[in-house]
Amino acid sequence: EPEVTQTPSHQVTQMGQEVILRCVPISNHLYFYWYRQILGQKVEFLVSFYNNEISEKSEIFDDQFSVERPDGSNFTLKIRSTKLEDSAMYFCASMAGRDEQFFGPGTRLTVL
Amino acid sequence: AQTVTQSQPEMSVQEAETVTLSCTYDTSESNYYLFWYKQPPSRQMILVIRQEAYKQQNATENRFSVNFQKAAKSFSLKISDSQLGDTAMYFCASAAMNRDDKIIFGKGTRLHILP
Repeated sequence: EPEVTQTPSHQVTQMGQEVILRCVPISNHLYFYWYRQILGQKVEFLVSFYNNEISEKSEIFDDQFSVERPDGSNFTLKIRSTKLEDSAMYFCASMAGRDEQFFGPGTRLTVL
Repeated sequence: AQTVTQSQPEMSVQEAETVTLSCTYDTSESNYYLFWYKQPPSRQMILVIRQEAYKQQNATENRFSVNFQKAAKSFSLKISDSQLGDTAMYFCASAAMNRDDKIIFGKGTRLHILP
């Protein structure tokens, strides 16, 4: 069964460093998403991506964040200069059409 | 704007009992989906059940069923014959239909199934 994969499963970084979180969506999917979940809190939408451009972004998704689909398979989330409050679980999701979003297993980001 | 409210932060039930998790929502969309997601300790997000708002019939998936009250904007999840493996965080969520729209999650209900 096809699934969304994410790497790494856990990333530890120093405050101010750049991180890139990687996702491989399901191959025939067209819509891509990043969500964030700070420990103990609800899952929050960050950004949606379709047709090689951002469809929508939340207030959380400021200038420190960017997304890319560099090679037609990977979908990346970059945080340019990490802050302590960026520590969270980051989930990638993909969707074929107007139906179910499939979530990846998440990347746990720890900013020290 | 869409909002999802879960008023039960935590619940505990004995194994084999039936439990109902509450959820209310608000949306300006005329067509939308409602979901229940399970998040076990591994923190993976697992879709439990999905309801299309235009369907009057309540969705059912094995031991999981919903009570969808559209006028009241209520969407509760019933777990029958609860099992230890049902212990998890459960999130109620909504998303607009017919668009590539984001999923809006509630704050979750932590469910403990006791042996």
